[in-house]
Amino acid sequence: AQTVTQSQPEMSVQEAETVTLSCTYDTSESDYYLFWYKQPPSRQMILVIRQEAYKQQNATENRFSVNFQKAAKSFSLKISDSQLGDAAMYFCASGSSNTGKLIFGQGTTLQVKP
Amino acid sequence: EAGVVQSPRYKIIEKKQPVAFWCNPISGHNTLYWYRQNLGQGPELLIRYENEEAVDDSQLPKDRFSAERLKGVDSTLKIQPAELGDSAVYLCASSLGGGLATNEKLFFGSGTQLSVL
Repeated sequence: AQTVTQSQPEMSVQEAETVTLSCTYDTSESDYYLFWYKQPPSRQMILVIRQEAYKQQNATENRFSVNFQKAAKSFSLKISDSQLGDAAMYFCASGSSNTGKLIFGQGTTLQVKP
Repeated sequence: EAGVVQSPRYKIIEKKQPVAFWCNPISGHNTLYWYRQNLGQGPELLIRYENEEAVDDSQLPKDRFSAERLKGVDSTLKIQPAELGDSAVYLCASSLGGGLATNEKLFFGSGTQLSVL
């Protein structure tokens, strides 16, 4: 069975500072992807960043980067220069490359303080 | 380009009543997903369609839930009869294909928030 665990229900960060959200996963899939999604109050899930599991290089998207530790099954998200608009619920997810099925973690609520 | 469109945005019903949700995926997207998101939790897959065929409905409670995707485009998800525990956000997502190949991703709608009283 595939599981995704986010152990931080809530996090807060000062505007312009850096914050790291943690995620661990377990999967039996040999070919999979990992994702971080942002869900604002509008409820729409917005893709923040994705990582192909076969790639060793950590993915980056502007202020967002990941620390992917495959052996440890860890996939953390680092947000640099935090902005007020980053405040939202963040979900870590693993996905089967064959089916596209995503398994989500429980989410981390990020608060950004001005 | 229009995104994934869902309606209604909110629905309040009494238990034992039927309810239906509608999803219009992005044009040309063959794969459609319905997810359920309970309060404070991550979404969980209910059903996945490849065109008009339901290829994964293992998580769909078939005693009260049903879904269809006529002509492989729009989809409806129905609950009959609704129970208190069905209160959740129902999210629809679509993608070009069924996998997660490079440069392909899921697009989500804004969901329908269901409250069963």
